[in-house]
Amino acid sequence: AQSVTQPDIHITVSEGASLELRCNYSYGATPYLFWYVQSPGQGLQLLLKYFSGDTLVQGIKGFEAEFKRSQSSFNLRKPSVHWSDAAEYFCAVGSSNTGKLIFGQGTTLQVKP
Amino acid sequence: DAEITQSPRHKITETGRQVTLACHQTWNHNNMFWYRQDLGHGLRLIHYSYGVQDTNKGEVSDGYSVSRSNTEDLPLTLESAASSQTSVYFCASSLKTSNEQFFGPGTRLTVL
Repeated sequence: AQSVTQPDIHITVSEGASLELRCNYSYGATPYLFWYVQSPGQGLQLLLKYFSGDTLVQGIKGFEAEFKRSQSSFNLRKPSVHWSDAAEYFCAVGSSNTGKLIFGQGTTLQVKP
Repeated sequence: DAEITQSPRHKITETGRQVTLACHQTWNHNNMFWYRQDLGHGLRLIHYSYGVQDTNKGEVSDGYSVSRSNTEDLPLTLESAASSQTSVYFCASSLKTSNEQFFGPGTRLTVL
């Protein structure tokens, strides 16, 4: 079955510290992979996407993610977290044929001053 | 600027009533999607459409229906609202199935 797992429900980091949010997926074909961010009361904003090519993907707001096929992972990273990064982060896997997305449960990021 | 809007943003209704949530996009995207967001479940797909007159069931379609009479709109109807349908509903659109989806601001629905 196709699925996305975000093992960490909540993560707290200090402002200025590095961040890594984990995402593992189970998908039969070559997946399209996405990270979205949701601020409280807002819709989802695309941070970055992987379709093919270079496995290290750069996104907005200083985020990057690395696709590791052997580990079925697509972890999100940021070298130095800002207080404004506090939000909920969703990993999603999709099909280029159907366009449908399967989302993980989300990881809530809290940033300590 | 092109955008995707949802209305109403908040809705309280009673069990058994019919409710329609609106979704409107001005990107001229072919594909439109409806999701519900619940704690512990992330976002789950309710219905989706690849174009006018096309609709398809998603993972959690029971109790919901959609219709696509034009490119811009995909209204979601709850035929007879149930308390289990209390949730936040998001509409999204994409130009092609191989493109990313863009999301609306969401509608918070409470069924009493």
